[in-house]
Amino acid sequence: NAGVTQTPKFQVLKTGQSMTLQCAQDMNHNSMYWYRQDPGMGLRLIYYSASEGTTDKGEVPNGYNVSRLNKREFSLRLESAAPSQTSVYFCASSVGRANYGYTFGSGTRLTVV
Amino acid sequence: GNSVTQMEGPVTLSEEAFLTINCTYTATGYPSLFWYVQYPGEGLQLLLKATKADDKGSNKGFEATYRKETTSFHLEKGSVQVSDSAVYFCALSVQTGANNLFFGTGTRLTVIP
Repeated sequence: NAGVTQTPKFQVLKTGQSMTLQCAQDMNHNSMYWYRQDPGMGLRLIYYSASEGTTDKGEVPNGYNVSRLNKREFSLRLESAAPSQTSVYFCASSVGRANYGYTFGSGTRLTVV
Repeated sequence: GNSVTQMEGPVTLSEEAFLTINCTYTATGYPSLFWYVQYPGEGLQLLLKATKADDKGSNKGFEATYRKETTSFHLEKGSVQVSDSAVYFCALSVQTGANNLFFGTGTRLTVIP
């Protein structure tokens, strides 16, 4: 039972390059989320998907796009990477009820040079 | 709005010392409250939770009580171990369309032998 799987674990991009971060969950969860984690700022929500077929902006959506491909998969795309997007990215999923919390992936460490 | 204010770190304790990490919150409606732990190089793991006032969440010797009157959810452990060294995040969840989690900025705990 893998839980939430993120790929890749590490990535270095040049400014202006694009890439897609992949996330998949095998817990039949309805909701999925993308966060970024920066020193001293905790976790900030980029985008979320309450259910298959829906996506919504979070606190810091600029420079990102997402796709909820099916119930299992939720990808995050950087169209033109900038140094300010250097961060650790976490995907998470939940059943969709407030008292259940989230299950997190192990993260992707992205460096944009 | 919804927000979490967490005790700033870092916190350094000797093994077997008593731990308190303060967490207060503001929320619309009736939140569920969580503590997550992040070990070095890993994603966040749910440590404990409480879903209504006066509930006590507990796990691995850690405890936190949901205090509605003081809007607090302080994390405590009677005797810390070196293996408890990690970053601890307080979070709240309110039941909106997507069960969004709101995180504090995290508190880094280092336990020295």
